[in-house]
Amino acid sequence: EAEVAQSPRYKITEKSQAVAFWCDPISGHATLYWYRQILGQGPELLVQFQDESVVDDSQLPKDRFSAERLKGVDSTLKIQPAELGDSAMYLCASSLPVNTEAFFGQGTRLTVV
Amino acid sequence: GESVGLHLPTLSVQEGDNSIINCAYSNSASDYFIWYKQESGKGPQFIIDIRSNMDKRQGQRVTVLLNKTVKHLSLQIAATQPGDSAVYFCAENKGRDDKIIFGKGTRLHILP
Repeated sequence: EAEVAQSPRYKITEKSQAVAFWCDPISGHATLYWYRQILGQGPELLVQFQDESVVDDSQLPKDRFSAERLKGVDSTLKIQPAELGDSAMYLCASSLPVNTEAFFGQGTRLTVV
Repeated sequence: GESVGLHLPTLSVQEGDNSIINCAYSNSASDYFIWYKQESGKGPQFIIDIRSNMDKRQGQRVTVLLNKTVKHLSLQIAATQPGDSAVYFCAENKGRDDKIIFGKGTRLHILP
């Protein structure tokens, strides 16, 4: 069964360090999302891609976060420098365009110490 | 502002009973709604969806009801099982821009 792949599953980093997460969406899914989920809350959309183009990054803290999807397939989300408040689950999802459900990966649990 | 929210943060249900999880949305322009189930340490899992031109949709043991008049969405789970224990999120898709926005979630506890 096709699924969204994310790595790593867990990451511990010291504050002020750089960290990167990788996502490989389901084949053929043009839309890719990165969400951040703080414990006890719902996922918050950080950035949305349509193929290689950013559709929405209004909630992405651009002073420290960056996201790319250079070939319109897999994507990388980077944080530099990491802060304590960045500790959260980072979820990647993909979907076919236009009103279809998004399929989520298992997420990367980030702990900043 | 625009939001998707849930009435109750936790819900406890006896095993075998039916569960009803509610959700209110505020954006009347939303035309597609999704229910997700999230188990601890895992990503959200799609349960069922409904489009704004429908009032009801049924799946296996689950039913979603949409009341556009009062902007209310509910998820009904029949014969709740221990494996249904999870956090349930409703999400709305605002159509043209395909942005999927989540509410805060309801934790479902199954009592033995």
